[in-house]
Amino acid sequence: EAGVAQSPRYKIIEKRQSVAFWCNPISGHATLYWYQQILGQGPKLLIQFQNNGVVDDSQLPKDRFSAERLKGVDSTLKIQPAKLEDSAVYLCASSLDRTTREQFFGPGTRLTVL
Amino acid sequence: AQKVTQAQTEISVVEKEDVTLDCVYETRDTTYYLFWYKQPPSGELVFLIRRNSFDEQNEISGRYSWNFQKSTSSFNFTITASQVVDSAVYFCALRADQAGTALIFGKGTTLSVSS
Repeated sequence: EAGVAQSPRYKIIEKRQSVAFWCNPISGHATLYWYQQILGQGPKLLIQFQNNGVVDDSQLPKDRFSAERLKGVDSTLKIQPAKLEDSAVYLCASSLDRTTREQFFGPGTRLTVL
Repeated sequence: AQKVTQAQTEISVVEKEDVTLDCVYETRDTTYYLFWYKQPPSGELVFLIRRNSFDEQNEISGRYSWNFQKSTSSFNFTITASQVVDSAVYFCALRADQAGTALIFGKGTTLSVSS
C-alpha cells in the first residue's frame, strides 16, 4: 500500500512570494490533515478535511494560507504572501475516516523563507 | 484545554543503555487516545503506539515498552538496550474526541544513541 505522498520535498522562497504544496493521501482515506512543524516543536494542525469539506480550520492563518481538496482526494496548501515565520516543515496526514485513531504521515515539505 | 508536555528536550545515551522518555498530558475528556511517534532524520513521522483512556495495561513490543498511568496523567516510553538506529525525535501526542480528531503534540524529545 502506497503511503502519503507530498511534493515538493524542499522549497526555498523569498518573503512575500507565494508557494504551494501538494499532498496525495493513502487511497481510500477520507480524512486529510495539514500540520505545520516549526523547528524544535511538535506538529500543529492547520486544517482538516473530511472528503472535500473543511472540518476544522480554526488555526489556519486565513489572511495568507489557503487549502483545498476539491475532489476529496489530493489536496493543495498555499501560502501567499509568505513571511519569514512561515519557515517550517508542512506535514500532510491521512486517516481512513474521522473515527479512525491512526493518522499516517507523509515525508513533509521543508519550506525556507528568506 | 488539551496539552502534552515532554519535559526532556534532549537525551544522550550509549548503545545498550535503557532509556525512558517522559510524557505528561492534560485533558478534561474522559475518552481520549495517546500516541507515540518517531521522527527520524528523514522527517517522516512513524506511528509507534496508540492507547485509549480505558486501557491502562502496559504494552511491550520488542525492545519498546509503554507505561500508561491515569493517576499521574503520564504515558512514558522505554527503550531497552538502545541502538544507534533508535536515534530520532520522539513525539507524544493526545487526541481527545470532544476536541476533534486532530492530534495535539508535545515538543518532542531528541534521543541520541552513540556507539
